[in-house]
Amino acid sequence: GAVVSQHPSWVICKSGTSVKIECRSLDFQATTMFWYRQFPKQSLMLMATSNEGSKATYEQGVEKDKFLINHASLTLSTLTVTSAHPEDSSFYICSVERDRTSNEQFFGPGTRLTVL
Amino acid sequence: GENVEQHPSTLSVQEGDSAVIKCTYSDSASNYFPWYKQELGKRPQLIIDIRSNVGEKKDQRIAVTLNKTAKHFSLHITETQPEDSAVYFCAASPRVNTDKLIFGTGTRLQVFP
Repeated sequence: GAVVSQHPSWVICKSGTSVKIECRSLDFQATTMFWYRQFPKQSLMLMATSNEGSKATYEQGVEKDKFLINHASLTLSTLTVTSAHPEDSSFYICSVERDRTSNEQFFGPGTRLTVL
Repeated sequence: GENVEQHPSTLSVQEGDSAVIKCTYSDSASNYFPWYKQELGKRPQLIIDIRSNVGEKKDQRIAVTLNKTAKHFSLHITETQPEDSAVYFCAASPRVNTDKLIFGTGTRLQVFP
């Protein structure tokens, strides 16, 4: 498998502030990482594909100016939720793809964001 | 784009019985179909996957079958145990040259002792 970490594991913030979530691949270099959002009792919704050294590819309906993704190195991708509002409260999970030929994705532990 | 439907949304079985969860997908070019198990508040864990060139795959009590013609695939868990209780998600990789996964809506499995 692959070891993926996320930081922080949970965060509570006030409406209007920005929150940065980090996703790290600890045991290999990941050229591609994925960001998902999961509302309570719902499925994982892909938000964007993060590519090292290039711009992220956002899914339809995801605001790229609100959810800023930076994949500056082969082991770190960050998701910044800008001007967060209560409706942004969710579980944010990243995943990494270890091998492009296998398609297999390994997930981070998730970050629970609560916006007051 | 790809759309993945999953049924049932909830499934309750007695310990020792079998459980079957079914998914259908819309994009005939999809070629990779993983199944994930997610416990409350935890990350999804891959339990088994299958590729489009294979019809069935088994790993101990877990098996997955794929019908490319009908565009559906199923997860089979035999001899269920209470620790199998979790939410199970199917997913499909919609195109040959992209690795993103589109997830089904999930099935909450409860195994009663």
